[in-house]
Amino acid sequence: DGGITQSPKYLFRKEGQNVTLSCEQNLNHDAMYWYRQDPGQGLRLIYYSQIVNDFQKGDIAEGYSVSREKKESFPLTVTSAQKNPTAFYLCASNPRQGAGTEAFFGQGTRLTVV
Amino acid sequence: AQSVTQPDIHITVSEGASLELRCNYSYGATPYLFWYVQSPGQGLQLLLKYFSGDTLVQGIKGFEAEFKRSQSSFNLRKPSVHWSDAAEYFCAVAISGNTPLVFGKGTRLSVIA
Repeated sequence: DGGITQSPKYLFRKEGQNVTLSCEQNLNHDAMYWYRQDPGQGLRLIYYSQIVNDFQKGDIAEGYSVSREKKESFPLTVTSAQKNPTAFYLCASNPRQGAGTEAFFGQGTRLTVV
Repeated sequence: AQSVTQPDIHITVSEGASLELRCNYSYGATPYLFWYVQSPGQGLQLLLKYFSGDTLVQGIKGFEAEFKRSQSSFNLRKPSVHWSDAAEYFCAVAISGNTPLVFGKGTRLSVIA
């Protein structure tokens, strides 16, 4: 089945440690996105990539980094510079081409920093 | 920059009653419009979308939405709510097929017997 896989589903880390969240898709989509979700805040865009080896900052990129070395993969690193990293992280993708193409979402990773 | 407003943070309806969730957007032209649903701890599932044509669009699970250009609105409706509809609902917009979605803050729907 085609889809987006995020792993792990739950992640615990100590404060000050970097952590990498995985996102893999087998939909052959060009564009991939990372969103952060906090209660009552909706989804806020962290980074996005429309093509391999290229990515752009979203609205809340500070303290995060990404790479896009393969079309299928778009890992997100939460660095120690991120002041409040505990949140639910959602990865999404879309074909990028064509009108009205919606984003498809993974099941999310809940990160808790203690 | 475009923005999305969902005025209602939390709505409670009785099972079998009708439902309308409000969504207003701020953008000069007509954006692409979407409604997503999220169950607790899960990802988002697309309910329906609008980008041109008939302003009343049908989606999955019996939902529909109506685009009103004059009001910059894209409200979601369902004639008869089921207990399984309890979830969080997000309205989203994009200015083109190549740009990231911008989301509203969501409306949490509770369904009571």
